[in-house]
Amino acid sequence: ETGVTQSPTHLIKTRGQQVTLRCSSQSGHNTVSWYQQALGQGPQFIFQYYREEENGRGNFPPRFSGLQFPNYSSELNVNALELDDSALYLCASSLSLPVNEQYFGPGTRLTVT
Amino acid sequence: EDQVTQSPEALRLQEGESSSLNCSYTVSGLRGLFWYRQDPGKGPEFLFTLYSAGEEKEKERLKATLTKKESFLHITAPKPEDSATYLCAVQAKKGGGSEKLVFGKGTKLTVNP
Repeated sequence: ETGVTQSPTHLIKTRGQQVTLRCSSQSGHNTVSWYQQALGQGPQFIFQYYREEENGRGNFPPRFSGLQFPNYSSELNVNALELDDSALYLCASSLSLPVNEQYFGPGTRLTVT
Repeated sequence: EDQVTQSPEALRLQEGESSSLNCSYTVSGLRGLFWYRQDPGKGPEFLFTLYSAGEEKEKERLKATLTKKESFLHITAPKPEDSATYLCAVQAKKGGGSEKLVFGKGTKLTVNP
């Protein structure tokens, strides 16, 4: 059984550009949540997907958007990147709703210059 | 608004010196309280879920307890490999909407040999 995987591991973008981050959930899990973790802070909830539908959103602007595919993998898209978007982006999968344990991937470190 | 406060922010122990980390929370109906361990540059690793006051769970040198307002993570005879940031998160009971986790900022634990 494979765990949660994310790609890429690191990337560097310029302010104003767009970025897509990818996540493969743990086998058998149909719920994916995305979090942003700034340096020295706890993860902050961006949004959650359950069976390809958005199931809630945190306090992030519309330029943060997502998708979940039929195989339950997921993407996070960020448009018009800002310097403050520099962070570790974490994907977490869970077996189903209601969510109990969420299992996190290793994260994608995004640097915006 | 759901909130989690962890203390202390940082804790330095000698190997074998037992201590406790605190997680205070306010939430409109607790569904679950979660403890994670996070190593630098990596995703959080799931440790425990606690659901009701009075519940306790143990794993190796770690023991988590829960009251109506706070949770403690007790570390008995820690080893250098226990050095990490420990994150606490709560999940609220909500009709519909997301099953998000609200995290604290974490406690950075350093165990010296």
